[in-house]
Amino acid sequence: GAVVSQHPSWVICKSGTSVKIECRSLDFQATTMFWYRQFPKQSLMLMATSNEGSKATYEQGVEKDKFLINHASLTLSTLTVTSAHPEDSSFYICSDLAETQETQYFGPGTRLLVL
Amino acid sequence: QKEVEQDPGPLSVPEGAIVSLNCTYSNSAFQYFMWYRQYSRKGPELLMYTYSSGNKEDGRFTAQVDKSSKYISLFIRDSQPSDSATYLCAMKQGAQKLVFGQGTRLTINP
Repeated sequence: GAVVSQHPSWVICKSGTSVKIECRSLDFQATTMFWYRQFPKQSLMLMATSNEGSKATYEQGVEKDKFLINHASLTLSTLTVTSAHPEDSSFYICSDLAETQETQYFGPGTRLLVL
Repeated sequence: QKEVEQDPGPLSVPEGAIVSLNCTYSNSAFQYFMWYRQYSRKGPELLMYTYSSGNKEDGRFTAQVDKSSKYISLFIRDSQPSDSATYLCAMKQGAQKLVFGQGTRLTINP
C-alpha cells in the first residue's frame, strides 16, 4: 500500500498561534489528498479535499480561512490551523487517493493540543 | 438515517475466537468497500479492499460484500490481542468521497 507521512506527529501550542501540519505522499505522486479531523471515540470527519495546483474544496461547516490548505506539489499538502483555539484541539489525519482512485491511504496523524 | 451504519461496540472476545464485524449501507451505488484498522492515537491502516460482491481472503482476515443486502462483513480468525483496535468500514462510489462507518472498538482478551 501507499505510504503517507505527516509531520509533526504531535504539537502543543498557545491559543492564538498558527500551526502548520505537513502531509507527504512518499511512493507516488498524489494529485488529490484529503484532510480529516477526528475527535476522541468518533469516526473521521472530512474537512477538505486538496488538489495539486488548485484551491482546496472544503466540506460544509469547515472555515476555509481558519484551515488553510496548500497543495503546491504532487507529494506535499499542508494544513495550517490559523489562530488556533482550544476547541481546535483534535487529531488531524491526511490521506492520499490511490493511483487507481478506488481507495485511500492514511497518514499516522498529528495530535494538536491548543492551550 | 446514516449512509453507513456500524455498531460502535465495544466488542470483547477471548483470544482465538472468530470475530465478525459488520456494516450496512443505504446507497446502492457504492462500488468500493474497505476495512481499516485504527490503533489508539494512530492513523487508519487499510486492511482489506473489495470491489463488488463476494469474498476476499488475506491471511486471518476475510472481507465479504453482499450488495443485494447492502451488507459487508470482516471476519478475523484466530484472533490475537494485537488485533485489539477500532475497525472502520468505509465505502465509496466512483470518484466520490469515502463514507465511513462509526467504527467498532474491538478488544481481544488473552
